[in-house]
Formats: sequence, structure tokens, C-alpha cells
Amino acid sequence: AQSVTQLGSHVSVSEGALVLLRCNYSSSVPPYLFWYVQYPNQGLQLLLKYTTGATLVKGINGFEAEFKKSETSFHLTKPSAHMSDAAEYFCAVSKETSGSRLTFGEGTQLTVNP
Amino acid sequence: KAGVTQTPRYLIKTRGQQVTLSCSPISGHRSVSWYQQTPGQGLQFLFEYFSETQRNKGNFPGRFSGRQFSNSRSEMNVSTLELGDSALYLCASSLAGGGGAPLHFGNGTRLTVT
Repeated sequence: AQSVTQLGSHVSVSEGALVLLRCNYSSSVPPYLFWYVQYPNQGLQLLLKYTTGATLVKGINGFEAEFKKSETSFHLTKPSAHMSDAAEYFCAVSKETSGSRLTFGEGTQLTVNP
Repeated sequence: KAGVTQTPRYLIKTRGQQVTLSCSPISGHRSVSWYQQTPGQGLQFLFEYFSETQRNKGNFPGRFSGRQFSNSRSEMNVSTLELGDSALYLCASSLAGGGGAPLHFGNGTRLTVT
């Protein structure tokens, strides 16, 4: 069975500071990995995804994530936080045989302080 | 292109009643998935439909059911509602599903069971 662990349910950064949200996965086969963001009272929006190929994945809004197979990690980063980045972030994993079924992490609430 | 549309946005029901939620996917998308989001359990997969057939199912009791119509619109039904069914129900669509397919989420239906 595949699972996802997000370290830190709450992360607080200052505006302009580096954002680092951690995600580790366990999967018996090479997974597909995703980061989604959820703003209050909204659904989830895809930030980026890793399928195969380049291990550094660039997403929307200046976010990127690096797939590290040796560490089973897929951490999300953004060089400079903006107030509008405040939201909940979810890491998710799927595999070829699971169709569209995503297994989500617990989520990390990002707060950006002025 | 219009996004995924879920109706209604908010719903209040009483224990023991049943409820039907509706989801219209993005035009051309044939795969529709449903997720339940609660503070305690996080995001959990309910089921996925593709071309009117249930392709995948999560670990929910039989009170939770769904269907998909020929135009790809989907409904989910919960019978004999329990207090624990209070949650945000999210629908997501993708072109053909399959591992690695990015999901496009609606804004959800907030169900409150009293």
C-alpha cells in the first residue's frame, strides 16, 4: 500500500522568506506525485506533478518540487513567500494501477506573516 | 472552459435521511472521482467512474454509492445519514483517468448532518 507523510501540520514563514513543505512517500513501485493547494472554501488546485523524467518539477505560482527516490521525498519549495500563498497544501501519490485514485497526506497549513 | 461544477454548495440534513450530490465534470473529461474531506480523516477516496462504470472504490460502507451518466455527469448518494458523514465532498474530473492523470477539483459540497 502506498502512503504519504507530510512533516509539520502547520508551517509559518515571513513574507519574502523561503517556503519548504516536506513530503515523504512510501510506495512499492515508482509513484506519481502531486502537490495540491486548497484555499478556504474552495476545492484543490494542482500546483505541480511528477510522473517520469526530470526530477525537478516546476509548477504554478513559483513553486517547485524535487523528486528524490533515494530519500523517498518530494518536498515543495518556493524561494520567496507571498501573502497570497497562505493556504493548505497537500502532497498526494498515485500509481499506474490505481487509476485516478490519489492517496493524500494530512496537509500542511501555511501561514505567511507580514 | 468551465471548471468542475458541484451542486449544491451547502446542504443540511438530519440523521437517517439520504442525500444526493451532483457533479458536472469539465467538458470532455470522462473520469469522475469523489473524495470526502474531514478534519479528522483528511482527504479520502470514495470512488471513481469512467464511461458510466465504477472503476475504483475506496473503503467506505455501502451507504455511499454513485453513478455516472452518459454525458459524464456524476452523482453520489449517501443513505441513512450519520453524524460522521458531515464533511466536504469533493468531485474531481480528468480526461481519461489513469495513473498520473492530474485531477481537476470542484469547490465541493459541504454536508452537515444534524
